[in-house]
Amino acid sequence: AQRVTQPEKLLSVFKGAPVELKCNYSYSGSPELFWYVQYSRQRLQLLLRHISRESIKGFTADLNKGETSFHLKKPFAQEEDSAMYYCALRGTSGSRLTFGEGTQLTVNP
Amino acid sequence: GAVVSQHPSRVICKSGTSVKIECRSLDFQATTMFWYRQFPKQSLMLMATSNEGSKATYEQGVEKDKFLINHASLTLSTLTVTSAHPEDSSFYICSAYGYTDTQYFGPGTRLTVL
Repeated sequence: AQRVTQPEKLLSVFKGAPVELKCNYSYSGSPELFWYVQYSRQRLQLLLRHISRESIKGFTADLNKGETSFHLKKPFAQEEDSAMYYCALRGTSGSRLTFGEGTQLTVNP
Repeated sequence: GAVVSQHPSRVICKSGTSVKIECRSLDFQATTMFWYRQFPKQSLMLMATSNEGSKATYEQGVEKDKFLINHASLTLSTLTVTSAHPEDSSFYICSAYGYTDTQYFGPGTRLTVL
């Protein structure tokens, strides 16, 4: 079975502070990991995926297979980063995604 | 590119009636579409996976006779909530699996059953 855990439902930081949104997963094979973001009143959109190893809007995430984690990081948070963030996993056998419970990030001025 | 639309965005219906929600991939062909349900302040729960031209695969605990899914073309999937009851009130979201090996999400449909 595949499972994604985001331990923090709410995370609040001040503008300019570093932010880390935690994501842990369990999967028996080699998964693909994603971060999706949902801004207020908008649809869910892909932020980044581990195989791309890219930085989007200053966010990065590294897949740590030893710790089965895929934490999302940004060195200097901005107010516009306030949103709901979902970590998601996709197994190698198909295209379905398993989502974590989500973390609501609030960046205070 | 890669836009997914849903219609309607919001629907209110009486208990016992059926409601159809459409999901369209506007500028790409989607061999697979997914239907999710999201309760307030909760994550997305996958209801079913729909492949064009074949029967949908439902997740455990999802009643296939209650939530009818049709994926008649590569750009359209529909979810029909039959004999809706107040407990079916929720936010229904579809996604389409596209050419960049990515799921693109629709804006969601808010269903309220009175």
